Amino acid sequence: AQSVTQPDIHITVSEGASLELRCNYSYGATPYLFWYVQSPGQGLQLLLKYFSGDTLVQGIKGFEAEFKRSQSSFNLRKPSVHWSDAAEYFCAVGAGDSSYKLIFGSGTRLLVRP
Amino acid sequence: NAGVTQTPKFRILKIGQSMTLQCTQDMNHNYMYWYRQDPGMGLKLIYYSVGAGITDKGEVPNGYNVSRSTTEDFPLRLELAAPSQTSVYFCASSLLAGGRETQYFGPGTRLLVL
Repeated sequence: AQSVTQPDIHITVSEGASLELRCNYSYGATPYLFWYVQSPGQGLQLLLKYFSGDTLVQGIKGFEAEFKRSQSSFNLRKPSVHWSDAAEYFCAVGAGDSSYKLIFGSGTRLLVRP
Repeated sequence: NAGVTQTPKFRILKIGQSMTLQCTQDMNHNYMYWYRQDPGMGLKLIYYSVGAGITDKGEVPNGYNVSRSTTEDFPLRLELAAPSQTSVYFCASSLLAGGRETQYFGPGTRLLVL
């Protein structure tokens, strides 16, 4: 069965520091991978997605993620965090077929120190 | 485009009461979804629809009902509210099947059952 693990419940970084949020997935075939961000009181917004091809994916707001098949990981990175990046981040995996299913991780809450 | 809109934003229900959470999208998407988000958890799929007149259960459908009479609208019905249904509810839509396609989320409805 598909599953997604985000091992860090909370992460605190200083403004201007680099960021890496971890995501590990379990899926038998090549997965479709997503990172969504949820700002306080808002719905989820897509940051980036990976379907195939280049394993380093660029997204909005300066985020990128790298798909590593050998490690079953899809970690999210940003070289320099801004205070406005404080939010909750969700990794999700989808079946690469006509399935409706999108399985979400439990999320990582990012706090940014001034 | 307004995207995905949800009403109400917040509601308090007494145990046993019923209510309908409204969801409308103006992107002409075939696929629509209802999720619930419990504290510290990822999103769990309640119901989904692949088009007008077609709905199916997700992971946690008990206690809920849906209908899809038009492409735009996908209301979620709670018939006998229970404290376990206290959660934040998100509606989402996608052009293609959600497992491989970006989902667009509404701002959510926060429901408290007392």
